[in-house]
Amino acid sequence: DAMVIQNPRYQVTQFGKPVTLSCSQTLNHNVMYWYQQKSSQAPKLLFHYYDKDFNNEADTPDNFQSRRPNTSFCFLDIRSPGLGDAAMYLCATSREMYTQYFGPGTRLTVL
Amino acid sequence: RKEVEQDPGPFNVPEGATVAFNCTYSNSASQSFFWYRQDCRKEPKLLMSVYSSGNEDGRFTAQLNRASQYISLLIRDSKLSDSATYLCVVKGINNDMRFGAGTRLTVKP
Repeated sequence: DAMVIQNPRYQVTQFGKPVTLSCSQTLNHNVMYWYQQKSSQAPKLLFHYYDKDFNNEADTPDNFQSRRPNTSFCFLDIRSPGLGDAAMYLCATSREMYTQYFGPGTRLTVL
Repeated sequence: RKEVEQDPGPFNVPEGATVAFNCTYSNSASQSFFWYRQDCRKEPKLLMSVYSSGNEDGRFTAQLNRASQYISLLIRDSKLSDSATYLCVVKGINNDMRFGAGTRLTVKP
């Protein structure tokens, strides 16, 4: 089935140790998004790729970077995770900017 | 003021009850509106889009009032499986999606 896949589902890292989360999709959608969601809060958009064009939200910390090597894959790099970065990270895709479809998320724990 | 605001909840209702959620948005130029459902520790899933004329999908009815910048979701004949957090989502003129903090619903036997 066409879907949005995120790996790993659970990631544990140490304070300050770089970590990469991955997202892949078989929907052939041209837009991919990364959200951060903390407990009992709304998903917060970090950035999105419209095709190859990267769009960063104004309040996304520099600690968060992203790469999209091709249509199907998108990565979220956290260069120096802090305790406050522990959250669920959700990848979503859409055709153009229409309905978004979410992956199952990666739950990040920072020790 | 938050861009998208929802009833704080939580809502605890018995099976069979009718429950309504409200959502307001601050940007009058917003273009599209959605309700997503999110189960505990799972990803958000699209429940329904919200159209100006209002729309219904089975037990779920969504309404939009552009003049008041207000969106609602009505669930009739609540089922245990309706227990989840309901997220109001608004798409702006730049196609950015803004999420409300969600309203938690618990349907009890």
